[in-house]
Amino acid sequence: DSGVTQTPKHLITATGQRVTLRCSPRSGDLSVYWYQQSLDQGLQFLIQYYNGEERAKGNILERFSAQQFPDLHSELNLSSLELGDSALYFCASSFPRGLRLAGAYNEQFFGPGTRLTVL
Amino acid sequence: AQTVTQSQPEMSVQEAETVTLSCTYDTSESNYYLFWYKQPPSRQMILVIRQEAYKQQNATENRFSVNFQKAAKSFSLKISDSQLGDTAMYFCAFMKQYGNKLVFGAGTILRVKS
Repeated sequence: DSGVTQTPKHLITATGQRVTLRCSPRSGDLSVYWYQQSLDQGLQFLIQYYNGEERAKGNILERFSAQQFPDLHSELNLSSLELGDSALYFCASSFPRGLRLAGAYNEQFFGPGTRLTVL
Repeated sequence: AQTVTQSQPEMSVQEAETVTLSCTYDTSESNYYLFWYKQPPSRQMILVIRQEAYKQQNATENRFSVNFQKAAKSFSLKISDSQLGDTAMYFCAFMKQYGNKLVFGAGTILRVKS
């Protein structure tokens, strides 16, 4: 168990709908990352938040948005869903409180993922 | 931009034997980290081993070791004494020093046969 939790585990919805995926980082971790794993695109980085602020953006569609709340949990919002959005969405966390952001390597601990199926 | 290439989509090995998974990468960075992640059927992402590019010594973790060739931009994973529990998808990944995102290869499915 990595200490990162994600809900729900599975989500089935229809095209055009909107869903919210939730992630709780490991206790004390300030940074949250979202990754998408799909058959077409493989595993790719979407976005990173650090202590409530967006820190880095990857191949995230404009229909997707994320935020990190004061309690450090994060939500990934996917809207106007398309069949191609079906994927496993992972959240990872790192950077324990007290460690410098630009310091040495920090392992990213992955949650169990949310499986999204768009029908 | 960095890219990671895993040229072996699938591999199989007999239990107790040794197998090597290949990975090459492309980057202009001089300092970075390389990783091998394991994704078993449960889909959990598990860090297997990490290599710092500034270290010449190859990393080892029990039955897992890497062959890191910085000049050739090659980073292979050797699994010794393969076990049935090693059956999984293995991803090679790259991260810049002070970076924040992992760049993954396409993965290699490893099947350990009894």
